[in-house]
Formats: sequence, C-alpha cells, structure tokens
Amino acid sequence: EDKVVQSPLSLVVHEGDTVTLNCSYEVTNFRSLLWYKQEKKAPTFLFMLTSSGIEKKSGRLSSILDNKELFSILNITATQTGDSAVYLCAVGGMDSNYQLIWGAGTKLIIKP
Amino acid sequence: DADVTQTPRNRITKTGKRIMLECSQTKGHDRMYWYRQDPGLGLRLIYYSFDVKDINKGEISDGYSVSRQAQAKFSLSLESAIPNQTALYFCATSDSSRGLAKNIQYFGAGTRLSVL
Repeated sequence: EDKVVQSPLSLVVHEGDTVTLNCSYEVTNFRSLLWYKQEKKAPTFLFMLTSSGIEKKSGRLSSILDNKELFSILNITATQTGDSAVYLCAVGGMDSNYQLIWGAGTKLIIKP
Repeated sequence: DADVTQTPRNRITKTGKRIMLECSQTKGHDRMYWYRQDPGLGLRLIYYSFDVKDINKGEISDGYSVSRQAQAKFSLSLESAIPNQTALYFCATSDSSRGLAKNIQYFGAGTRLSVL
C-alpha cells in the first residue's frame, strides 16, 4: 500500500533557529513529491521535486529529494514567526492515476 | 479575488440533513478534487473529476456524492449528514496540460462543517 510519512508530527523552536522537516514515502512508480504550507486554512504550494529536479530553493526555504532512499527534507533557515504553520508533504505516482497521497503533516511553531 | 472559491465557509447542520458544498474556479483548470481534513489524518480524497464527464471515487466516497455542473464548478453533497462527517472540506484544482506540473493542486479556503 502506498504511504507517505512525515516527521516529526510537531516541532517548537525559537525565532532564528533552523528546522528540518522530513517526508518519507513508499509510492509505486513515483512521479513527484510536493511540499505545501498550511497556515489558517488553504494549503499553499511551495515546491515540487521530481527525479529530474531533486533540489529546490526559495529564499530561506529549501528542499531536497533522495529518490534512492525515498525521502525528502524541507529546510527552513533563520525561522520567523510567520513560518508557523502545518507543512504537508504529498507524493504522486503513475499507478494512482496521478492522484496525490498525503502525509499527516508537521505542525511547526516558531516562538518569538 | 480567490481563484478557487468555496461556499459556505462555515456550516452547522443536524444529523440527517442534506447539505451541499460548492466550489467554483477561475483558473481554467480541467481537474477538480474534494478532500476532507481531520486532525492528525492529513488530507483524504473524497471524489475527483478530470472533466465534466469523468468523475471518480476517491479513498473515502461513502456517504458523499458529487456533481460537475461545468468545467468551473464542482459540488459535494452529503445526502444524510452524520456527526463523523464533521471536518474541514477542501476543493482543489489542477491543470492536466502542464506536464509534470499537472500534479500541483491549488486549494480553496475550505469549508468547516459541523454535524450535530
């Protein structure tokens, strides 16, 4: 059965710290891995990683994909209170008709 | 204006009532999805539609039905609501013409539904 597991489930750090969020997956015929940020309501898209695009960076956020060990990490440097959110990981595979399989999310709290 | 609009934003209803949640989009995407989100369980797919004539059941379709009235509109119905359908419901869209980016889904703001 396809699955996506995120860790930790929750994390509390102080402003300025660096955090690393993890996403491991077992998905048949992997196509892509996506990271989303969910603040109050709607998840918003951050990055998509594929076998041909295993590293992405935007400002203080970066992500890498290890498609041999089947995991991804999302790194946030110099965290700010506005980074507080639930971070969701989702994986798409060919066999699932390109539907996304979602992890349960990591709840990140940044203390001032 | 939001590209993906869900109505209502909040709804409280009683057990046994029929309720409809609506979703409309201005992104021009062909694919639309309905998810529910429960604490600690992430997003679970209820139904998805690749175009007006192509509707498919997701992981947890029992107790739900959908209608794709037009490419831009996709509604979710609970025929007889029950308390364990209390959840946050999201509509999402994606564009199948974008190659690998077809997997990127764009979400509405959500509908918080409480069934008493």
